[in-house]
Amino acid sequence: SQQGEEDPQALSIQEGENATMNCSYKTSINNLQWYRQNSGRGLVHLILIRSNEREKHSGRLRVTLDTSKKSSSLLITASRAADTASYFCATFTSGTYKYIFGTGTRLKVLA
Amino acid sequence: GAVVSQHPSRVICKSGTSVKIECRSLDFQATTMFWYRQFPKQSLMLMATSNEGSKATYEQGVEKDKFLINHASLTLSTLTVTSAHPEDSSFYICSAGGIKDEQYFGPGTRLTVT
Repeated sequence: SQQGEEDPQALSIQEGENATMNCSYKTSINNLQWYRQNSGRGLVHLILIRSNEREKHSGRLRVTLDTSKKSSSLLITASRAADTASYFCATFTSGTYKYIFGTGTRLKVLA
Repeated sequence: GAVVSQHPSRVICKSGTSVKIECRSLDFQATTMFWYRQFPKQSLMLMATSNEGSKATYEQGVEKDKFLINHASLTLSTLTVTSAHPEDSSFYICSAGGIKDEQYFGPGTRLTVT
């Protein structure tokens, strides 16, 4: 069963703008990961954030985690056309030892 | 990071035939591997968890007799779609568990059943 809900489902922005995607989940987690998937391709790992962390950065990516609200956000700054893809959050719970994916956000960056 | 491969990357088969997909962890040993299915424009749905040397654990709604999973070694898990039908056409992705809670995903296999 899918645990994570992402919003928005689709997002269209101009190149250079920032894109923010949100992920909400239902149960306690050990970590949360964000992935990118280009159309018809495999997953590309972006960032892993653990339950005791609140924020992580990687290049133009910034991920926050609020365990009290059971939510995470992914911010892509200064977006580029090449960022056009689907973005998924995946939550990991050690009790079940499995990752459950969110519904995904389809991002389109217009040149 | 660790490398996980899948073979084949793309397969077309006729309705009623069986198809085997391999998932290999190339540079580490994975006691646990996971199989996901993704339909167009949808998210990844976990199908089953495969543990080396034991029976796979299937998610609710996944037919274990239709999707046979074998995890015979610490570097190889296979998914066999038996008596495939057009509705089984999908993107199948495996992942392998590494140290602690890390997982590494394969590139996926696109199955088309005609």
